Amino acid sequence: QKEVEQNSGPLSVPEGAIASLNCTYSDRGSQSFFWYRQYSGKSPELIMFIYSNGDKEDGRFTAQLNKASQYVSLLIRDSQPSDSATYLCAVKSQAGTALIFGKGTTLSVSS
Amino acid sequence: GAGVSQSPSNKVTEKGKDVELRCDPISGHTALYWYRQSLGQGLEFLIYFQGNSAPDKSGLPSDRFSAERTGGSVSTLTIQRTQQEDSAVYLCASSLASGGVDEQFFGPGTRLTVL
Repeated sequence: QKEVEQNSGPLSVPEGAIASLNCTYSDRGSQSFFWYRQYSGKSPELIMFIYSNGDKEDGRFTAQLNKASQYVSLLIRDSQPSDSATYLCAVKSQAGTALIFGKGTTLSVSS
Repeated sequence: GAGVSQSPSNKVTEKGKDVELRCDPISGHTALYWYRQSLGQGLEFLIYFQGNSAPDKSGLPSDRFSAERTGGSVSTLTIQRTQQEDSAVYLCASSLASGGVDEQFFGPGTRLTVL
């Protein structure tokens, strides 16, 4: 059973702080890793993807991947109240084509 | 350009009735996926279509669920003899499936409520 685990939260940070969201996965053959943001009542929106070990930065967002530890994270710098949402980690395995999602971490940024 | 569209946005039905949910993928995207999201749960894969290949039905929870994709574009997910546990948001996604990372983009979803 391929699994993706996330802390459900809520993760609460003050405005301007760094929010750190973590995800672990069970399938060592996984190749692509995605972070989606989902506002309440809305569909998931792709924020970032990463497939190589190390860091990938895009604006205030940084994705980090460590395949040896089967761990992927998302850092949000200078957090804003508009970042308050549920963040879904998704993994694409080598053999399959569908994404396997974690249950998401709820982030709350207070002003 | 236009994103993934789904209809209806909301569907309320009675237990035992059949329902059809529609998905129109992004133009040019050859891969189409159906997921569902129950309250407080993550997204659960249902079925995947890629071009003219046989669909990957491995995620369908029972034989009451079926889906088709006509002309490599629009897809319909059918749930027969609906049960209350079928209540969820049904999400459709599409991708280019051109190899590499293959990002999936989601539609707005259909919220299904079975009374």
